[in-house]
Amino acid sequence: GAVVSQHPSWVICKSGTSVKIECRSLDFQATTMFWYRQFPKQSLMLMATSNEGSKATYEQGVEKDKFLINHASLTLSTLTVTSAHPEDSSFYICSAREGAGWGTEAFFGQGTRLTVV
Amino acid sequence: AQSVTQLDSHVSVSEGTPVLLRCNYSSSYSPSLFWYVQHPNKGLQLLLKYTSAATLVKGINGFEAEFKKSETSFHLTKPSAHMSDAAEYFCVVSDSNSGYALNFGKGTSLLVTP
Repeated sequence: GAVVSQHPSWVICKSGTSVKIECRSLDFQATTMFWYRQFPKQSLMLMATSNEGSKATYEQGVEKDKFLINHASLTLSTLTVTSAHPEDSSFYICSAREGAGWGTEAFFGQGTRLTVV
Repeated sequence: AQSVTQLDSHVSVSEGTPVLLRCNYSSSYSPSLFWYVQHPNKGLQLLLKYTSAATLVKGINGFEAEFKKSETSFHLTKPSAHMSDAAEYFCVVSDSNSGYALNFGKGTSLLVTP
């Protein structure tokens, strides 16, 4: 199947700094990518939908100025956590769908574990 | 609005016995439904999907699920559990109204005992 690569797999940063997470579709083009957040022992919560060449669509309650999303090409989306605080510590997962239509399979990155100290 | 309810947060079965993980959904539009599995410290893997074709869907590793519109259910089953099946399972719904985003259930943790 298609591959989505997410980098880094884990990162530790100091409070107040910014962290960038990359999500790449390696063998297909993804006009839309999705960013999720997963707390320990909980489900994935959709944060935002990243559209190539346009602004991301954020879910209710997600601060767009804190979680900056850039989708500059058909194979790359980035999530930047700005001015990170300990409560931002979480597991972040990106996803991309191969092709259009809601029935197509979504492929997931391996996730990024962010720890803010 | 679409939503998914996984009826059991934890399920425990003995190796070799059947597995049943329950999922109910709500959607105002024709939904697509998926089951994903997440093993510890690993990414999500698609087990199977329903996209308005056959209502009985067969997936990988012997799993299958049946779409029942009248019951708004999409339960996941396997005839005989294996130790390697122990993982977190997510029922997921997507429809055209969601912009193709996936809406995850809270997950069911499957424990398989010897």
